[in-house]
Amino acid sequence: AQSVTQPDIHITVSEGASLELRCNYSYGATPYLFWYVQSPGQGLQLLLKYFSGDTLVQGIKGFEAEFKRSQSSFNLRKPSVHWSDAAEYFCAVGAASGTYKYIFGTGTRLKVLA
Amino acid sequence: DVKVTQSSRYLVKRTGEKVFLECVQDMDHENMFWYRQDPGLGLRLIYFSYDVKMKEKGDIPEGYSVSREKKERFSLILESASTNQTSMYLCASILAGGINEQFFGPGTRLTVL
Repeated sequence: AQSVTQPDIHITVSEGASLELRCNYSYGATPYLFWYVQSPGQGLQLLLKYFSGDTLVQGIKGFEAEFKRSQSSFNLRKPSVHWSDAAEYFCAVGAASGTYKYIFGTGTRLKVLA
Repeated sequence: DVKVTQSSRYLVKRTGEKVFLECVQDMDHENMFWYRQDPGLGLRLIYFSYDVKMKEKGDIPEGYSVSREKKERFSLILESASTNQTSMYLCASILAGGINEQFFGPGTRLTVL
C-alpha cells in the first residue's frame, strides 16, 4: 500500500540549532516527493520538491532535503533554525500524471525555543 | 502569481444545515482537490476533479458532495452538516501535464454546532 510516514509528531529545537525532519514513503512507482510548510491558520506552502536527478534538493527559506532510494526516505534539513520556522511540516508523495493525487504524511509540528 | 482562494476563512454552522465551501483558482488548472485536515491525521482527500463536471471520490467522501460547473471553481457541499465534520478544509489545484505541484488555498475552518 502507498503511504507516507512522518515518525515525529512534535519536535522542539533551540533557535540557531540544526533541524532534521524525517519522512519515509512506500510507493509503487517512481516517487515524486514534496515538503510543504503550514504556518498557524494558513494553507500549505511548497518548500521543495524532488522528481529526479540530484538527490539533494534546495528549497525556499534555507531548507534542503535528501532523497535516499535505498532507505525510502526524503528527510528535510535546515542548518540553523529561526524562530519564524515554527510551523507544521508535511511530507507528500504524488503522481506526475493521471489523477495527480498526493498522499500526505500526518505532519510534524516544530517548536522553536528562543 | 498563482492564487487559490476560498470563500470563507471561518464558518460556523448548525447540525443539519446545508453548507457550501467555495474554491476558486486563477491559474487555469485542470485538477482541483478538496482535503480535510485534522490533528494527527494529516490531510485526507475528500473529492477531486480533473475537468469541468468530472469528479472522483477520494478517501473520505461520505457525507460530502462536490460541484464543478466552471474550470476555475470547485465547490464542496455538506448536505446535512454534522458535528464530526468540524474541521479545517483545504482546497488545492494543479496544472495537468508535466511535473507540477499542488497549490493550496488558505483553508476554511468549519465548526458545526
